[in-house]
Amino acid sequence: QKEVEQDPGPLSVPEGAIVSLNCTYSNSAFQYFMWYRQYSRKGPELLMYTYSSGNKEDGRFTAQVDKSSKYISLFIRDSQPSDSATYLCAMSAWNNDMRFGAGTRLTVKP
Amino acid sequence: DTAVSQTPKYLVTQMGNDKSIKCEQNLGHDTMYWYKQDSKKFLKIMFSYNNKELIINETVPNRFSPKSPDKAHLNLHINSLELGDSAVYFCASSQVGRGDYGYTFGSGTRLTVV
Repeated sequence: QKEVEQDPGPLSVPEGAIVSLNCTYSNSAFQYFMWYRQYSRKGPELLMYTYSSGNKEDGRFTAQVDKSSKYISLFIRDSQPSDSATYLCAMSAWNNDMRFGAGTRLTVKP
Repeated sequence: DTAVSQTPKYLVTQMGNDKSIKCEQNLGHDTMYWYKQDSKKFLKIMFSYNNKELIINETVPNRFSPKSPDKAHLNLHINSLELGDSAVYFCASSQVGRGDYGYTFGSGTRLTVV
């Protein structure tokens, strides 16, 4: 079993839809949870960060962490074509040794 | 100013050659990493250096040798290149103890071995 599981998709939605992206993990030591966005031929960029359990909202993006279920989610409201990218979940313990999910490729169609 | 810069951006070379990729960060971070991203977009850690000291060395062929002359630079040298080494290699940096900053990635080096 991989430490971090993420459905690679691809996921295609119409513009304006709500997008839900998810990851599960097995290492209970993880306490930093992140979502990275990667555009084609670019490096991943940090999109959202959450420490421990709870929700965090930033504009159209909401990150949720449920440590009891070892499950994290990213929601995108009012999705735009510019949101089309690969979204990678990532998590680490205190030592910053970050483990990534496989990434979900998202396409938002106009 | 680019925070994490890698050179070259593209590298096409023949099997058996030796090549190097360079990485520099100007963020003052104390830890740098090399990741390999395959065609399915999976990011796999290869090496991690903290203040010039190797702290993560995943199962990577010993044809790959990292070198960190100082905490702002981490280079990757690859000997006897093979077809399976074709991938995008990303350099990243972070500050230990500041998990909220995450990693800052470079734009990647696309290596093609022919």
